[in-house]
Amino acid sequence: QKEVEQNSGPLSVPEGAIASLNCTYSDRGSQSFFWYRQYSGKSPELIMSIYSNGDKEDGRFTAQLNKASQYVSLLIRDSQPSDSATYLCAVNHDNYGQNFVFGPGTRLSVLP
Amino acid sequence: EPEVTQTPSHQVTQMGQEVILRCVPISNHLYFYWYRQILGQKVEFLVSFYNNEISEKSEIFDDQFSVERPDGSNFTLKIRSTKLEDSAMYFCASSSSAYNEQFFGPGTRLTVL
Repeated sequence: QKEVEQNSGPLSVPEGAIASLNCTYSDRGSQSFFWYRQYSGKSPELIMSIYSNGDKEDGRFTAQLNKASQYVSLLIRDSQPSDSATYLCAVNHDNYGQNFVFGPGTRLSVLP
Repeated sequence: EPEVTQTPSHQVTQMGQEVILRCVPISNHLYFYWYRQILGQKVEFLVSFYNNEISEKSEIFDDQFSVERPDGSNFTLKIRSTKLEDSAMYFCASSSSAYNEQFFGPGTRLTVL
């Protein structure tokens, strides 16, 4: 069974703080990892992709991947109220990269 | 910036009726997908499409579902005989290659009465 797990939250952080979102996956063969943001009633919006172990930074966002621990995380620095949303972790499990398995999402609330 | 578009934004239908959800993927993308999200639940993969054929489908994608690329721009999802449990948001996505990011359209909210 291909599983992607996330804490459902809500995760509440004060404005300006660092938000840390975590995701674990079950399939060791997973190759591609993505973070999406989803506002209520809207579609998933891609934030970042990460394919190799280590950190990847893009503006206020840093994705971290540890394939040995089957763990991927997203750090949001200087959190803003507009970052309040559900954050979805998506993992590619298929050899041909066509099947994303999504986690249930973590709801983030940034308090002004 | 190119984006995936979907029509209609909201479709209401009676149980047993056929619906067609339409998508226009990003123009230079080659891989197309349909996902669904039942209210309050996670995004679920339905089907992927490449080179004019289905490349993978999930258990949800049973004989009631079909996909088609009728021309060079549109990508459709047909549900032949809708059931109450088909009520969900349906998202189309596209990507430029198999391992690349998938970009999602705004979704079609399907309500089956």
